[in-house]
Amino acid sequence: SQTIHQWPATLVQPVGSPLSLECTVEGTSNPNLYWYRQAAGRGLQLLFYSVGIGQISSEVPQNLSASRPQDRQFILSSKKLLLSDSGFYLCAWSRDREEAFFGQGTRLTVV
Amino acid sequence: AQKVTQAQTEISVVEKEDVTLDCVYETRDTTYYLFWYKQPPSGELVFLIRRNSFDEQNEISGRYSWNFQKSTSSFNFTITASQVVDSAVYFCALSEPGRRALTFGSGTRLQVQP
Repeated sequence: SQTIHQWPATLVQPVGSPLSLECTVEGTSNPNLYWYRQAAGRGLQLLFYSVGIGQISSEVPQNLSASRPQDRQFILSSKKLLLSDSGFYLCAWSRDREEAFFGQGTRLTVV
Repeated sequence: AQKVTQAQTEISVVEKEDVTLDCVYETRDTTYYLFWYKQPPSGELVFLIRRNSFDEQNEISGRYSWNFQKSTSSFNFTITASQVVDSAVYFCALSEPGRRALTFGSGTRLQVQP
């Protein structure tokens, strides 16, 4: 069966510090991978998606970047965090047009 | 314009009441998929159902049922005899051919009081 792992679960980082969130999927190959952000009490905003190694599409220009160095690994990064980067970050995987399966999320607080 | 609208921001019911969560979507495609997800307090989104645009049959799974009506572009979700464990944020989502990712509604927070 397929599983998705996302870490860390919580993170408190100072403004201006770098960020690296990691997500890995097991039990499937060549998945579509996604990073979503959820601000407090709000809906889900798609940040990035990837259909293959090294292929990243950005939905919203911002302070973040994503990379897919391996088929089942998806990384969300920032060189310098802003206060507005605080939120709940969710990684997900899917096959084309099918339901997405989500990781447990990372709650990021930038202070 | 929003593609997926969940007009109910928050609903509060008492245990054992039935509750319906509304979802209205907008698309020009004839082939699409609709989804419902549950987000409990832990934060992880849990997949509940997928429905394709050619299947308008209502679906029932235990206390959950879904009513898909293309004529009104709605995909509503009903919980029968609600329980405290149903308390969560529920998201409706749309998948269209031109987009790789799902488009989510803003969610409905359901509070079931004991």
